[in-house]
Parts: sequence; C-alpha cells; structure tokens
Amino acid sequence: GAGVSQSPSNKVTEKGKDVELRCDPISGHTALYWYRQSLGQGLEFLIYFQGNSAPDKSGLPSDRFSAERTGGSVSTLTIQRTQQEDSAVYLCASSPSLGGRNEQFFGPGTRLTVL
Amino acid sequence: AQKVTQAQTEISVVEKEDVTLDCVYETRDTTYYLFWYKQPPSGELVFLIRRNSFDEQNEISGRYSWNFQKSTSSFNFTITASQVVDSAVYFCALSGRSNDYKLSFGAGTTVTVRA
Repeated sequence: GAGVSQSPSNKVTEKGKDVELRCDPISGHTALYWYRQSLGQGLEFLIYFQGNSAPDKSGLPSDRFSAERTGGSVSTLTIQRTQQEDSAVYLCASSPSLGGRNEQFFGPGTRLTVL
Repeated sequence: AQKVTQAQTEISVVEKEDVTLDCVYETRDTTYYLFWYKQPPSGELVFLIRRNSFDEQNEISGRYSWNFQKSTSSFNFTITASQVVDSAVYFCALSGRSNDYKLSFGAGTTVTVRA
C-alpha cells in the first residue's frame, strides 16, 4: 500500500509569506505526527493528532505555527509570516494508533526555504 | 523528561567491517519503547527496529543486531559486514506514556561505508 506522502516536496518562500504543508497519512492510521529537522536543532517534535484532535500543541515553536486535521486523514501545517529560522525539513509520520508499541512511518518531508 | 544521547557523531568504516552505534537514554517511564531509524541520503526516515522496555532479549535480524541493557540505559545497534548502501544517518529514538508516545530523537550518527 501507499506510504505517507507529503506535498510540496520543496517550498521556497519569501520572509513574511504564509505557507501550507500537507501530509497524507497511511490509510487507516489514526495517529499523525509532525516533526521538524534542522541543522541546529536536530529532529524535534511539533504536534500530534489522535483522530482530528491535537491534545498537545506545546511543541509548536511559536503562535505563527498551526495545524489541523480533517476527516481523520489529511493534515495541514500552516506557518504564518515565515521567518528565516523556519527553514527546515518538515516531516510527517503516521502510526496505526497512539501508543509506543506502534512504530511511526515517515513521509519524505517538505524542505522549506525562507529567503 | 525524555532524553536520548548518541555520543558518536560520525563513524567511517571500510566495507565488510562491523559497525556499532551507541545510544543512551533517560526516561521516568517504567514502560517505554526504543527505536532505531535510518535516514539515507534520499532523506526519508526508515524504521529499522523497535524494542519494548519489558523485553531485554537481544535479537539478530539479518545483518542488524541490537543490545538492550536496562541496567545501563543503553540500546546499541550493530551492522554486521557493512555495505556501501548502509551509509546513512542513524537515529536512536525513545517514546513513552509521559510524553504521549511522541518520539524523542538522538542527534544521529552519520555512518560512511567506504568501498
């Protein structure tokens, strides 16, 4: 079956613009996670969804970041008024359900460059 | 708090040598899960292995083996008879109930296998 897909694969934007990153999880996976990978910070957790709800938003770096998930499937990560420090690879992962026994399957990521 | 430490930043070996990657973790959870992921140059994180905290049996899967020792909070990973295709960044990760099973990653170890 299809794995986790993300779009776009690359996004170059100007400072101050808004961007939307999309994640399509593996069909039937109820848990969805967003991570960010940057040179200085390594791999850091941003937010997760169980179904359509996001119980913990504390990993989001600032209030310019938001995420939603609809229909228990596709998720969108939105960054408003982008800054150069937002440049990173944004990774999405899904798992059959929330819980450590389930490995997370990662998508190919979206490389965001803010000029 | 959860913390994963990969002390080795880079390892370079010649093909057919064995490679052991060190991972030390900290957690307050009594039940937790440990993972190894591989990130080849293509960028996608690939799940390799998972180990539950209540199962210290060490196993071998093909050329991969792992050594989980709860007493020293270590979860080391070995690639036997390395091949050029093993060249990648390897991440050790930890999840547990106290942080809703989101993955806490180590900084990663870059493995270069030379022909």
